[in-house]
Amino acid sequence: GDSVTQTEGLVTLTKGLPVMLNCTYQTTYSPFLFWYVQHLNEAPKLLLKSSTDNKRTEHQGFYATLHKSSSSFHLQKSSVQLSDSALYFCAFPLYNQGKLIFGQGTKLSIKP
Amino acid sequence: DMKVTQMPRYLIKRMGENVLLECGQDMSHETMYWYRQDPGLGLQLIYISYDVDSNSEGDIPKGYRVSRKKREHFSLILDSAKTNQTSVYFCASSSDTTGQLYFGEGSKLTVL
Repeated sequence: GDSVTQTEGLVTLTKGLPVMLNCTYQTTYSPFLFWYVQHLNEAPKLLLKSSTDNKRTEHQGFYATLHKSSSSFHLQKSSVQLSDSALYFCAFPLYNQGKLIFGQGTKLSIKP
Repeated sequence: DMKVTQMPRYLIKRMGENVLLECGQDMSHETMYWYRQDPGLGLQLIYISYDVDSNSEGDIPKGYRVSRKKREHFSLILDSAKTNQTSVYFCASSSDTTGQLYFGEGSKLTVL
């Protein structure tokens, strides 16, 4: 069935280091893929989205490339900041149902 | 101004009382959602509404009902609230062309 897998539940890094949060998906069609970020006590907000194969999408220093061949949409940043501490969700919409399938989320914790 | 507004933001109720959470959006989106999120966890879909009076159960509808009489408003109702319904509730609306969700700021419900 349709699903999103985020393999890391918690990632703890020191400020200034690079990060990659994994996202793989399973579906029979070619959806938009999304990354949402949720800071503590706030609503989830869209960080990135893409439906174009092999094209890098960037926003606020984060970037991701949709690879349809491997069904992946990993989120990366070259140098994390304290303000990047948040919960990150990967998601895609179910075909023709208006329902978003979310991964379980990855908590990113940045230390000084 | 693209906005999803939730009221109230904070609510404390006693077990057995009725709860009404309200949500409005100014983007004329057809599809709206109610999610709940427990601490440190992901988003669980309670109900989805495709338009006025066109509502479908999500993954955890038990104990909840919804009402959508105008496209811009979507209400979540808890008849006889239970302590295990203590949670943060998020409303969202969708741009159906991509499936992107726009979230409200959340309503924190405590049931004593």
